[in-house]
Amino acid sequence: DVKVTQSSRYLVKRTGEKVFLECVQDMDHENMFWYRQDPGLGLRLIYFSYDVKMKEKGDIPEGYSVSREKKERFSLILESASTNQTSMYLCASTPGGGAGQPQHFGDGTRLSIL
Amino acid sequence: AQRVTQPEKLLSVFKGAPVELKCNYSYSGSPELFWYVQYSRQRLQLLLRHISRESIKGFTADLNKGETSFHLKKPFAQEEDSAMYYCALRTFGNEKLTFGTGTRLTIIP
Repeated sequence: DVKVTQSSRYLVKRTGEKVFLECVQDMDHENMFWYRQDPGLGLRLIYFSYDVKMKEKGDIPEGYSVSREKKERFSLILESASTNQTSMYLCASTPGGGAGQPQHFGDGTRLSIL
Repeated sequence: AQRVTQPEKLLSVFKGAPVELKCNYSYSGSPELFWYVQYSRQRLQLLLRHISRESIKGFTADLNKGETSFHLKKPFAQEEDSAMYYCALRTFGNEKLTFGTGTRLTIIP
């Protein structure tokens, strides 16, 4: 069974801090994703990575960056956290290689920016 | 650009009654449609996808290209069906998903 692990379930940070959210998958998946989940807005894609050191902007990349130095790990970085980045963040992965593969999600990190 | 619309934010249904969660999409090509579910305190997980044409936990969904819809249906609701449901679309050759805004389903005992 695919395991997508997000390092923190809850995180509280202050405005202006640099914040790192970590995600690890154990199934050698090529593709990894970061979403934010907000009530009434659903899931919105922040960034997507289809290979090590490769990344692509999603729908709402502003204020975020990502890092994928190893295949199993995909990090989301808030360069200077702001209160409007308070949200639930979800990481997901897929094997790649064509359509038909569902995304596997982590438990999420609930981030509060004070 | 593609778009997924779930018109109901909240839906309450009595136990044993039929359930229908609506999903409409806009995309000019042939999409791949999914339903994901998130039960309380659990991770988001795949419920079903249109290419499988299967029934999961009594739920079915049929892709209607004429009406650009992929409504989720269950003939008799159960209390354990209470959850957040998201409809999602993937375009051909693309790994990214476009999600709807979600419907919170509550089954009334």
